Amino acid sequence: EVQLVESGGGLVQPGRSMKLSCAASGFTFSDYYMAWVRQAPKKGLEWVASISYEGSSTYYGDSVKGRFTISRDNAKSTLYLQMNSLRSEDTATYYCARHFSGSTTVVTLFDYWGQGVMVTVSS
Amino acid sequence: DIVMTQTPSSQAVSAGEKVTMSCKSSQSLLYSENKKNYLAWYQQKPGQSPKLLISWASTRESGVPDRFIGSGSGTDFTLTISSVQAEDLAVYYCEQYYDTPPTFGGGTKLELK
Repeated sequence: EVQLVESGGGLVQPGRSMKLSCAASGFTFSDYYMAWVRQAPKKGLEWVASISYEGSSTYYGDSVKGRFTISRDNAKSTLYLQMNSLRSEDTATYYCARHFSGSTTVVTLFDYWGQGVMVTVSS
Repeated sequence: DIVMTQTPSSQAVSAGEKVTMSCKSSQSLLYSENKKNYLAWYQQKPGQSPKLLISWASTRESGVPDRFIGSGSGTDFTLTISSVQAEDLAVYYCEQYYDTPPTFGGGTKLELK
């Protein structure tokens, strides 16, 4: 059974940093692109970042580019999101998601999601 | 960025009713080389994470009941629930994965009448 379990959220002050983790199990982690998608309270979904199989390629949404860093440790089957210079508008539930792999090319379609971790940016 | 517009934003339904919801994209999601539409539907129940229901506009994921039907092509897409069940009450999001960044619609919330 595919499982994605996020951790590391909480309350943080504006301008500070926070690192999220996502522990994956039930599949071969290194065979999949992975992503972070967030959802502000009572709002819709926003793609944050994606990372390639070995971590050599990373992709970011404009709202987080230059502030957030996605990374992975395939030996630990763990995905990370380092968030720096946090702003109030970064307040959201952050979901770890697995990219769909049944395509000849990589697509930003997400077939499994974690339960999410809440990040609140406030003084 | 491709803008995804979902209508209605909410809909009150009764069990057993047929429901349709719309998703329109600001540009075509049909890739000419493979004739596939890069459009997905997700279901998010209260307090839960999104669940992938339909990919490629009309392909149901494994385990998704056949009352969920995705249709459409190009810029206009529809999710139909042929006979709504109580467990279908949720917010439904469409997503385009034709281009980066992937973008989601604002959602359609199904509520009990």
